[in-house]
Amino acid sequence: QQQVKQSPQSLIVQKGGISIINCAYENTAFDYFPWYQQFPGKGPALLIAIRPDVSEKKEGRFTISFNKSAKQFSLHIMDSQPGDSATYFCAAIPRGGSTLGRLYFGRGTQLTVWP
Amino acid sequence: DAGVTQSPTHLIKTRGQHVTLRCSPISGHKSVSWYQQVLGQGPQFIFQYYEKEERGRGNFPDRFSARQFPNYSSELNVNALLLGDSALYLCASSVQLAAQGETQYFGPGTRLLVL
Repeated sequence: QQQVKQSPQSLIVQKGGISIINCAYENTAFDYFPWYQQFPGKGPALLIAIRPDVSEKKEGRFTISFNKSAKQFSLHIMDSQPGDSATYFCAAIPRGGSTLGRLYFGRGTQLTVWP
Repeated sequence: DAGVTQSPTHLIKTRGQHVTLRCSPISGHKSVSWYQQVLGQGPQFIFQYYEKEERGRGNFPDRFSARQFPNYSSELNVNALLLGDSALYLCASSVQLAAQGETQYFGPGTRLLVL
C-alpha cells in the first residue's frame, strides 16, 4: 500500500514555466515532509522540506505548500529550467514509534523542461 | 568531504545466488539506512542501523539481512536471489538516528540485475 500518493507521473514544462507536483497522505503520524531530486545514475538528494505547522516554505525557485487538514502538499518550481529535468519524489517521515526515521516515498514524477 | 559511497556500482547475479552490497557513510554519521528502488518507483525502506544496532526493518523477507560495523560502514546481504530483487539499492546516512529534521544523505546506489 502506497502511503504517500504522488501525481503526476510525468510532467513536461516549457522553460520559464511553473512545474507543480502534488502529494497526499493518510497517516497522521507523518510529521516531516521532504522532497528529493534524483538525476539518472545518482541517488536522491534533499531539495527542500517542511514541517506540518508551516503552510508554506520557499527556497529560491522551489516552494512547498502544505495543507494539513487535507493531508496534501505540493512542490512548485518557478521559472523552470532545463537543468531541473529530473525525477522528483515527495516523502514523509513518521514522528516516532517503531517506524521512526523511516522515509516513505511517493512513486516519483519525471519532470522534463524543454527550451 | 566525501559523500556516502557504495560498492560495487553495478552487479549481475543469477537466481539463487547471494550478494553483498557495501556502504560507507559520511564521516561522523552514525546511522545508515538501506532502501530498494525498483525501476519507475520510489525507494522502499529495508533497514535502519544506528550505533551498530538494527533500529528498524521494512517489509522485506528474511533473505535480506544487514549489519553495521564499528566504523559505521554497513553491508546489505541478500540470499537466494530472485528476479524481483533486481533494483537500485540505496544507502543513506545521517548524523543521528534519522527522525524529523534529520537529513538523510543518499549514496549513488548499487544497481543489481538478477538473471
